[in-house]
Amino acid sequence: GAVVSQHPSWVICKSGTSVKIECRSLDFQATTMFWYRQFPKQSLMLMATSNEGSKATYEQGVEKDKFLINHASLTLSTLTVTSAHPEDSSFYICSANPLGGNNSYEQYFGPGTRLTVT
Amino acid sequence: GQNIDQPTEMTATEGAIVQINCTYQTSGFNGLFWYQQHAGEAPTFLSYNVLDGLEEKGRFSSFLSRSKGYSYLLLKELQMKDSASYLCAEKNRDDKIIFGKGTRLHILP
Repeated sequence: GAVVSQHPSWVICKSGTSVKIECRSLDFQATTMFWYRQFPKQSLMLMATSNEGSKATYEQGVEKDKFLINHASLTLSTLTVTSAHPEDSSFYICSANPLGGNNSYEQYFGPGTRLTVT
Repeated sequence: GQNIDQPTEMTATEGAIVQINCTYQTSGFNGLFWYQQHAGEAPTFLSYNVLDGLEEKGRFSSFLSRSKGYSYLLLKELQMKDSASYLCAEKNRDDKIIFGKGTRLHILP
């Protein structure tokens, strides 16, 4: 089946630093990838839609200058949390839709990245 | 935005049946998902409904009524490993998947 990986799986950083999270589709190509954030005991909140070769679209209330998204190839999207603060500590999950997939509803999730900002 | 409503927590007994209900806002509806999520892990796909009716897949079934903006996930022959959060999610006209807050299901022996 389709596999999506994320790197790193967990990261601890100091307040004020930036952290980059990678999302890769390992055995399929994806023009669209999604980034979600999940706080403890809450559901996934869609942050932004990453579009290959064009700018990401952000959900209301998500700062595009703080959460930089780059989707430079059909298999890789990156999320950079700039000037991280403790309130950015969360579980970040990406998902991807296979290009030309058999089922239009297919969306595969990565294993998530747990970010802790101290 | 979409208002997806599902119970916060439910408890059931091993071997029993449990039904988790979900209501959603019907405007812009483009499909209804159910996902299972264990603590600290990413969600795993359970089902997708776009037409009215019941979809059965082993121990899990999902039902959809588009006119009522209502879905349920039915879990049969509950096992301890079914203890998890179950997320109802709606796909909108922009193909974005919007998640509900999830239902934490506790299975008792």
